[in-house]
Amino acid sequence: AQTVTQSQPEMSVQEAETVTLSCTYDTSESNYYLFWYKQPPSRQMILVIRQEAYKQQNATENRFSVNFQKAAKSFSLKISDSQLGDTAMYFCAFTLTSGTYKYIFGTGTRLKVLA
Amino acid sequence: EADIYQTPRYLVIGTGKKITLECSQTMGHDKMYWYQQDPGMELHLIHYSYGVNSTEKGDLSSESTVSRIRTEHFPLTLESARPSHTSQYLCASSVAGGIYEQYFGPGTRLTVT
Repeated sequence: AQTVTQSQPEMSVQEAETVTLSCTYDTSESNYYLFWYKQPPSRQMILVIRQEAYKQQNATENRFSVNFQKAAKSFSLKISDSQLGDTAMYFCAFTLTSGTYKYIFGTGTRLKVLA
Repeated sequence: EADIYQTPRYLVIGTGKKITLECSQTMGHDKMYWYQQDPGMELHLIHYSYGVNSTEKGDLSSESTVSRIRTEHFPLTLESARPSHTSQYLCASSVAGGIYEQYFGPGTRLTVT
């Protein structure tokens, strides 16, 4: 069975600073996708960034980047130049590229960006 | 443009009532999902569907039922609402192959009194 673990329930960061959110996962499969989703307070869940397991290069989307360590089964999210609008719950998620097509979510990290 | 809709957005209802939460997507996605999420907490998968006439129970036991008669529509029904059903319900969809991303609806916040 696949699992996703986010060990930081809450974090805070000063505006314009950099913060890293941790995520580890467990699977015996080799083909999968990893995601970071953002859920602002009382707003819709949206995708932040996506990583294909077969790609060695870390994904980057503007101020958001990941550190994907496949052997260590680690998938951390780095937010650079943090903005007040980054305040949200962040969920790490995993899905296989075949089979049940279920998504496994972590328990979330609540990030607060301080002015 | 990814469009997935949920209605109602907010619902307050008395114990014992039957309710249906609507979810529709215009992207032609074959996979659809229902999650239950208490505010600010983790997501729990309660139902999912691979396509028309295909539904499966998720990881969290739920007294709700779902149907998938049309690709774009995946309603969730509670036959007899109870206070323990008070939560937020998120609908999502995805397509197998390609980017695998899940798209989420805005959610329905349900309160059972």
